[in-house]
Amino acid sequence: DQQVKQNSPSLSVQEGRISILNCDYTNSMFDYFLWYKKYPAEGPTFLISISSIKDKNEDGRFTVFLNKSAKHLSLHIVPSQPGDSAVYFCAASTQDTGNQFYFGTGTSLTVIP
Amino acid sequence: AAGVIQSPRHLIKEKRETATLKCYPIPRHDTVYWYQQGPGQDPQFLISFYEKMQSDKGSIPDRFSAQQFSDYHSELNMSSLELGDSALYFCASSPNTGELFFGEGSRLTVL
Repeated sequence: DQQVKQNSPSLSVQEGRISILNCDYTNSMFDYFLWYKKYPAEGPTFLISISSIKDKNEDGRFTVFLNKSAKHLSLHIVPSQPGDSAVYFCAASTQDTGNQFYFGTGTSLTVIP
Repeated sequence: AAGVIQSPRHLIKEKRETATLKCYPIPRHDTVYWYQQGPGQDPQFLISFYEKMQSDKGSIPDRFSAQQFSDYHSELNMSSLELGDSALYFCASSPNTGELFFGEGSRLTVL
């Protein structure tokens, strides 16, 4: 049972525009969320996180929004750059599961120059 | 900066053979995780260790075992390999601040 879902397997965006990657989760006990970026043949790289006590966290061009009532989070990248082209995974965890993180299936972002 | 090191990067085995993957976490990270990512799938949590003790267990088959040693490196042992075990195996370490730092992965191919 997939507790974290990324329903868009791919996304294409023009350079300079905004990229919005979405993630939905089913477990209302999740209280910590992360976004990872993965290039081919490399391990996932941590991008940004948010805890359930906040609804927004910003780091440079990356902003994560959390809507707890909708069990939805999104990653905004502004402005998008060709180097942002990668697969993006969202992940969630809860204190109830200790250190276990649940990953979404990933969204492949292509930023077109 | 030192990253998580995994070895080997690529491994080819035949069915029913045994494989061992190694992970060297970032210094001073006290938690190590193992994930398995099949083709086109999300990473699936296998097992984790905190301070050399198993802390959590996910969808790890009984044919697999893992341990963390006194120097904090971890090994994932896989026996009686099956075709379905072919996957990328990621190790990640964490300083217990919430972020996982992943290694580059070990690609296991079972023929």
